[in-house]
Amino acid sequence: GAVVSQHPSRVICKSGTSVKIECRSLDFQATTMFWYRQFPKQSLMLMATSNEGSKATYEQGVEKDKFLINHASLTLSTLTVTSAHPEDSSFYICSALRTGGDEKLFFGSGTQLSVL
Amino acid sequence: GENVGLHLPTLSVQEGDNSIINCAYSNSASDYFIWYKQESGKGPQFIIDIRSNMDKRQGQRVTVLLNKTVKHLSLQIAATQPGDSAVYFCAERGNYGQNFVFGPGTRLSVLP
Repeated sequence: GAVVSQHPSRVICKSGTSVKIECRSLDFQATTMFWYRQFPKQSLMLMATSNEGSKATYEQGVEKDKFLINHASLTLSTLTVTSAHPEDSSFYICSALRTGGDEKLFFGSGTQLSVL
Repeated sequence: GENVGLHLPTLSVQEGDNSIINCAYSNSASDYFIWYKQESGKGPQFIIDIRSNMDKRQGQRVTVLLNKTVKHLSLQIAATQPGDSAVYFCAERGNYGQNFVFGPGTRLSVLP
């Protein structure tokens, strides 16, 4: 079946550094990918919609300059948390939409970001 | 905005019993619904989906029911097993594009 690969699964960084998270659709092309943030015991919060070849669409309250999204190819979207601070610590999840006759939304395995 | 909650609803069932997890959705124009299972520290795993032109769909041990009249979605798991213990989310895609809105989630605990 379709698989979405997300890396890294866990990252610990110092405050002020930037962290890049990759999301790849392994066996289908995804013009649309999504990035979510999830706090403990809570549901997924959509941060932004990543569109291949165009600018990402950010949800209200999400800082564009803080969370940089690049969707340079049909199989790869990246989320860069710039100048990370402890309050950015969270579980970040990506998903990719497989379109066509059997449309489905698949998720990556998530990235646990801890900012010291 | 997205549903956010501090305390997940919990459903406890005996191993071997059937489980029913419910979800109320908000947008009457939503055309596509998905159920996901999420285990601790992992990303959501697709379970089953249903489109708005259907009211029932069955998979392996799982059935999704859609009642558009009352905007209600349910996931039925037959012969619940310990491996089914997880948080289950419903998601709807509305008429505002391809964004999916997620429900608050329900924690399923399977008792031995």
